[in-house]
Amino acid sequence: QKEVEQDPGPLSVPEGAIVSLNCTYSNSAFQYFMWYRQYSRKGPELLMYTYSSGNKEDGRFTAQVDKSSKYISLFIRDSQPSDSATYLCAMMSGSEKLVFGKGTKLTVNP
Amino acid sequence: ETGVTQSPTHLIKTRGQQVTLRCSSQSGHNTVSWYQQALGQGPQFIFQYYREEENGRGNFPPRFSGLQFPNYSSELNVNALELDDSALYLCASSTGAQNYGYTFGSGTRLTVV
Repeated sequence: QKEVEQDPGPLSVPEGAIVSLNCTYSNSAFQYFMWYRQYSRKGPELLMYTYSSGNKEDGRFTAQVDKSSKYISLFIRDSQPSDSATYLCAMMSGSEKLVFGKGTKLTVNP
Repeated sequence: ETGVTQSPTHLIKTRGQQVTLRCSSQSGHNTVSWYQQALGQGPQFIFQYYREEENGRGNFPPRFSGLQFPNYSSELNVNALELDDSALYLCASSTGAQNYGYTFGSGTRLTVV
């Protein structure tokens, strides 16, 4: 079993839709949870960061962490064509390495 | 200059050759990590350097090695290249105090033929 599982999609939605992206994990030591956005031919860009369980909101983006279920989510409201990218979940236990999911490729159609 | 810069952006090497990739970390960042991202996969941790010392290593063979210099820039060296080493190599820097705050470069795309 992989430490982090993420459905690679692809996911295609119309502009304005609410997008839900999810990851599950198996390592209960993970304490820090992140979502990165990666445009084609670019490095990952940190979108959201959450420590332990709970919700965090930043503009159109909401990150949720449920440690009891080992499940994290990213919601994008009022999605825009510029949100088209690959979204990577990443986690760490407080040590030095990030453990990433495979990434979900999202396309928002005008 | 802000941000993480990597060079070269693209590279083609022959199986068995050696390659050196370079990374200049973001100003003020003393920790550098390297990741390998195969096509359609998430990045995989190779190793991390903190103040010129290796500070953790992922599941990569010894032919993957690195250096960090006093100015916190870094190199990734790969010897005896294999076809499966073809990937995007990402460098990420942070202050070390807040390890989640990694800033990634745009990567070097290595193709081994």
